[in-house]
Amino acid sequence: GENVEQHPSTLSVQEGDSAVIKCTYSDSASNYFPWYKQELGKRPQLIIDIRSNVGEKKDQRIAVTLNKTAKHFSLHITETQPEDSAVYFCAASNGAGGTSYGKLTFGQGTILTVHP
Amino acid sequence: NAGVTQTPKFRVLKTGQSMTLLCAQDMNHEYMYWYRQDPGMGLRLIHYSVGEGTTAKGEVPDGYNVSRLKKQNFLLGLESAAPSQTSVYFCASRTPGRGGQPQHFGDGTRLSIL
Repeated sequence: GENVEQHPSTLSVQEGDSAVIKCTYSDSASNYFPWYKQELGKRPQLIIDIRSNVGEKKDQRIAVTLNKTAKHFSLHITETQPEDSAVYFCAASNGAGGTSYGKLTFGQGTILTVHP
Repeated sequence: NAGVTQTPKFRVLKTGQSMTLLCAQDMNHEYMYWYRQDPGMGLRLIHYSVGEGTTAKGEVPDGYNVSRLKKQNFLLGLESAAPSQTSVYFCASRTPGRGGQPQHFGDGTRLSIL
């Protein structure tokens, strides 16, 4: 089955700096890669996702890059703010159907702390 | 439009007791999932369903059973609770579709087994 490794496990930055979180996956059939943000005691919320037919996607201060050859993808947050502090999870899925049924395999999570 | 609703939000059980967690979604989604979240381990898939009347095992199914009698509801049961099942449980749903579709999560159920 799929295996997703996420690094680093904790990340501390100063407000205004950039933050980068990296994930690697094992199943070359995976083609859908969402990122979730989870604040303390809350539900995971989708912040951005990317499909395998593109190499990069941006949404304001957030961007995700995908390297299918190397089987890794990264989340980039620019101009970080204290409200960006949360746990971030990457995930991978074979979203094309068949017997995968969109099951997500999650990374272990990264605790991001943005200091004012 | 409430999205995905989980009940209860908190529960404390004694070892050996049984209980059912309810997940309800009002988005007409075909696919539904149950995850457990433990510190440092991300979310792990317990069971999932791809339609009314169907269920399948995920990564960590032992000790749990599920049922999907109605399209909008997905129930997770613990027949004989064990301390190792202390966790936060999340339900999610999504629409079928090629190319990947986002999963929408409920607020979670925090379960403690004493």
